[in-house]
Amino acid sequence: SAVISQKPSRDICQRGTSLTIQCQVDSQVTMMFWYRQQPGQSLTLIATANQGSEATYESGFVIDKFPISRPNLTFSTLTVSNMSPEDSSIYLCSVEEETVQYFGAGTRLSVL
Amino acid sequence: GQQVMQIPQYQHVQEGEDFTTYCNSSTTLSNIQWYKQRPGGHPVFLIQLVKSGEVKKQKRLTFQFGEAKKNSSLHITATQTTDVGTYFCSHSGNTGKLIFGQGTTLQVKP
Repeated sequence: SAVISQKPSRDICQRGTSLTIQCQVDSQVTMMFWYRQQPGQSLTLIATANQGSEATYESGFVIDKFPISRPNLTFSTLTVSNMSPEDSSIYLCSVEEETVQYFGAGTRLSVL
Repeated sequence: GQQVMQIPQYQHVQEGEDFTTYCNSSTTLSNIQWYKQRPGGHPVFLIQLVKSGEVKKQKRLTFQFGEAKKNSSLHITATQTTDVGTYFCSHSGNTGKLIFGQGTTLQVKP
């Protein structure tokens, strides 16, 4: 299975600032996924990041708030922009291999 | 829709007792996957079921996919404290994206 490195592992940020989360995979993958997991909740897909094209966002998530980069087949970033306390969550990147998804360790974000 | 309902939401058991979580859908599923998330951890893939009536075992864990492919269960025999965590079922929706259930959080009292 793919090995995924995600950083930072956690951060505490001030309201109104932005945080960029990085996700590195040890193999080339077509699609990378970004999820949000609010405290005590399940996983919600934010967007799918495809190399060479714009990310595809799910309902309720917009590019201005969660800009995504996918410069190559092994790397992606998710930025949480203009943060508010409601953005406090775990953010997870994942990749798919044969319909199974493998997750990074996640970024635990707290916004004050 | 394509949502899957997972029950129970929480379960507290005494170490050594059995545990079962259920995943139900109103529509036929192409597959079902189970993930485990330890406290403070990230979801880790356990198993995928694709065939009607399929049963798979991993040591003390038994996974079943219903005959109608609308429900699935995960059963743990003789729970241990290492089984603590949240168990999620998920499936690939019509668009191929993974849709997760709400999860069942298991607490095991030593």
